[in-house]
Amino acid sequence: EPEVTQTPSHQVTQMGQEVILRCVPISNHLYFYWYRQILGQKVEFLVSFYNNEISEKSEIFDDQFSVERPDGSNFTLKIRSTKLEDSAMYFCASRRTGGDWSNQPQHFGDGTRLSIL
Amino acid sequence: KQEVTQIPAALSVPEGENLVLNCSFTDSAIYNLQWFRQDPGKGLTSLLLIQSSQREQTSGRLNASLDKSSGRSTLYIAASQPGDSATYLCAGYNNAGNMLTFGGGTRLMVKP
Repeated sequence: EPEVTQTPSHQVTQMGQEVILRCVPISNHLYFYWYRQILGQKVEFLVSFYNNEISEKSEIFDDQFSVERPDGSNFTLKIRSTKLEDSAMYFCASRRTGGDWSNQPQHFGDGTRLSIL
Repeated sequence: KQEVTQIPAALSVPEGENLVLNCSFTDSAIYNLQWFRQDPGKGLTSLLLIQSSQREQTSGRLNASLDKSSGRSTLYIAASQPGDSATYLCAGYNNAGNMLTFGGGTRLMVKP
């Protein structure tokens, strides 16, 4: 069964450094998402992306964050200047679209654990 | 703003027991609702998606229901097995399908 893949599985970065998290969504999916889960807390929505633009974002997704689909397969999340509180598990998800979207679940990757030192 | 709550936070049952996990949400305008399973250190595996127009969905030993008027969803697991041990998350879609709002999860342990 097709899967969403994320790399790396664990990223350790010094505070203030830029980090790029990578995702390869399922090939025929056109909606892409990033979520994060701080240890011990709920999974939180960050951003959704469709047709090469952001369709919705949360208040967490401030100017330090950006997303990009640099080619036909990758979807990236960039954090420009990382802070200690950015330490979390980051999940990428994708959803097929076209037709009735309401019966199309989001499919999640295994996540990237980001540790800011 | 949508708030999703799951009670209990943790549950331990003997193998073979039928059990119900609860999910409540504050905004009845929730569109669809999705149940996930999360194993330690792993991603989220989609279990069931209940569309706004549906009241329940079934997959194998799992049955999920949605009652928008009362703001509740339940996940019923029949004949539980040790392999069912995981954290179960419910999440509601907004009406554009762009974002999921998650509950805190129920950590289930099924003892042999």
